[in-house]
Amino acid sequence: GAGVSQSPSNKVTEKGKDVELRCDPISGHTALYWYRQSLGQGLEFLIYFQGNSAPDKSGLPSDRFSAERTGGSVSTLTIQRTQQEDSAVYLCASSAGRGRTGELFFGEGSRLTVL
Amino acid sequence: EDQVTQSPEALRLQEGESSSLNCSYTVSGLRGLFWYRQDPGKGPEFLFTLYSAGEEKEKERLKATLTKKESFLHITAPKPEDSATYLCAVRTGNQFYFGTGTSLTVIP
Repeated sequence: GAGVSQSPSNKVTEKGKDVELRCDPISGHTALYWYRQSLGQGLEFLIYFQGNSAPDKSGLPSDRFSAERTGGSVSTLTIQRTQQEDSAVYLCASSAGRGRTGELFFGEGSRLTVL
Repeated sequence: EDQVTQSPEALRLQEGESSSLNCSYTVSGLRGLFWYRQDPGKGPEFLFTLYSAGEEKEKERLKATLTKKESFLHITAPKPEDSATYLCAVRTGNQFYFGTGTSLTVIP
């Protein structure tokens, strides 16, 4: 597609359940980022994928969070045993990767509500 | 420590009343400063990239400038449709650090 696509756009789940959020980046973009945005907060970095390199997982807040990227394209962010504090908008962004023009292009986000 | 601070947090302008938003940063090895616009319920939309002090970029009523320690987003004669949150980010290495944004409301 023309832009970054994320699904679902909204997810309501019960505390303790697992959720999966999907991101389909812009075709040809080698870099993919996941961020979390809570009300009134800035974007919090979660994880970064670049091509076939090992991902930078330094932003994942706990071992309940994991992400994978298959075939250098689609990425899935998984949150296990969700907690109420996980409620936020999860944003995915892609970029052309290394080099001068490093701007990120964002999807519309997945709004997660944990009851 | 790398960080980005935006001010003011919120700004209300009358239509046609020009103003500026500020983004100050401390980062080692700046690889670009980025401005984004975010509408409610949407992802951030890319506006500008600035790479070196003295650089300026313009788009319609928006003009972004960069110094060694801060960037300004100047809004000239704003319209109600310019109402949004404006985010600033700096890139160092492969990491992007975002400010918390300025919420702009333009009143007709």
